[in-house]
Amino acid sequence: EAGVAQSPRYKIIEKRQSVAFWCNPISGHATLYWYQQILGQGPKLLIQFQNNGVVDDSQLPKDRFSAERLKGVDSTLKIQPAKLEDSAVYLCASSTRGGSYNEQFFGPGTRLTVL
Amino acid sequence: AQTVTQSQPEMSVQEAETVTLSCTYDTSESDYYLFWYKQPPSRQMILVIRQEAYKQQNATENRFSVNFQKAAKSFSLKISDSQLGDAAMYFCAWLSLSGTYKYIFGTGTRLKVLA
Repeated sequence: EAGVAQSPRYKIIEKRQSVAFWCNPISGHATLYWYQQILGQGPKLLIQFQNNGVVDDSQLPKDRFSAERLKGVDSTLKIQPAKLEDSAVYLCASSTRGGSYNEQFFGPGTRLTVL
Repeated sequence: AQTVTQSQPEMSVQEAETVTLSCTYDTSESDYYLFWYKQPPSRQMILVIRQEAYKQQNATENRFSVNFQKAAKSFSLKISDSQLGDAAMYFCAWLSLSGTYKYIFGTGTRLKVLA
């Protein structure tokens, strides 16, 4: 079974530039999560999708961050314009809601550096 | 609001010895899951062990076991016969089974294994 795919793996940009991250979840996983993980901290949920609908985006800085999940499969997360404090690893995860496991499967992450 | 607290930023253990990582959480819900995830350096996060809140029996996975104290809202991870490959960040996570299926992560404990 293929895992959660993310690209790019690394990105370096100047502040005020824009950047986009892509995630392809495990096939059949209806729930998709985007997390921000700042160095030395735990993952912080940015947005959660159930199929192509948003379930929770309460911690997404909506003035600069946006995300979409067209057709309930792939997802993109965009930052526009980036700030220095956006430097972090952006993790995508997917899961099957319900069932007996409720395990999240994580992608390798995208390490963003904002200069 | 639900919170997950890991009070040990860093722990060390001698190879082949046993170590216990602490986690406490705060919730008013009665139905939830608890997880321990492992994040090795520069590698993606993987599940170590899970515990359903309705089960009184503590979960065990090979050398990993938990001590789940529901009334005390405590969920510690015991690693027996520690190996060099156990060195990683360990995150405690809580999953609500009501509403949004939202995961909340602790801040992590860095485990060092000494040869």
